[in-house]
Amino acid sequence: SQKIEQNSEALNIQEGKTATLTCNYTNYSPAYLQWYRQDPGRGPVFLLLIRENEKEKRKERLKVTFDTTLKQSLFHITASQPADSATYLCAPPPGAGSYQLTFGKGTKLSVIP
Amino acid sequence: DTGVSQDPRHKITKRGQNVTFRCDPISEHNRLYWYRQTLGQGPEFLTYFQNEAQLEKSRLLSDRFSAERPKGSFSTLEIQRTEQGDSAMYLCASSPHLGAGAYNEQFFGPGTRLTVL
Repeated sequence: SQKIEQNSEALNIQEGKTATLTCNYTNYSPAYLQWYRQDPGRGPVFLLLIRENEKEKRKERLKVTFDTTLKQSLFHITASQPADSATYLCAPPPGAGSYQLTFGKGTKLSVIP
Repeated sequence: DTGVSQDPRHKITKRGQNVTFRCDPISEHNRLYWYRQTLGQGPEFLTYFQNEAQLEKSRLLSDRFSAERPKGSFSTLEIQRTEQGDSAMYLCASSPHLGAGAYNEQFFGPGTRLTVL
């Protein structure tokens, strides 16, 4: 069955450093993948979408890569700030033609001043 | 604030009672989704509407769960005979229809936190 794994439940980094979060998927090949941010007690907020034919996508301090050979997406936040502290969720669709999202458990990022 | 609203924000009920949640999506969005999220987990898909048609339904959605979107605008999610295992955050999301095969972001509401005692 399809499986999505985000490599760590929690990641602590120093302010100003680059945070790198990993999302691995197995047993299928999603056509795209989305990343969301979720703050405690709130719904997820969309950050970036990357398609299978795109290697990299950027938005301000955020960068996402998509390696269909490794079945992996990396999410980078450069020059991290304490305000970046949140849980980050990886979300590919479960299969072709489906508009629902299958979320990973998320990685809780803490940026330490 | 994404423009998606949910009501109530919190609900405490006793086991065996019925509860109903409401979601108002962004007005021009014709796709609406319900997800459930428990502590430490990502949201799990429950069901999806395109306009008033319920097009996808998860196996997680037991017979006690029913969702409607009668006029293709707001949606309700009802849980009958609640169980303690139903305690979770229930999230609603909406997205526009950009054409077949178009992929787009989902806008989430703040969620309804259900506690079943």
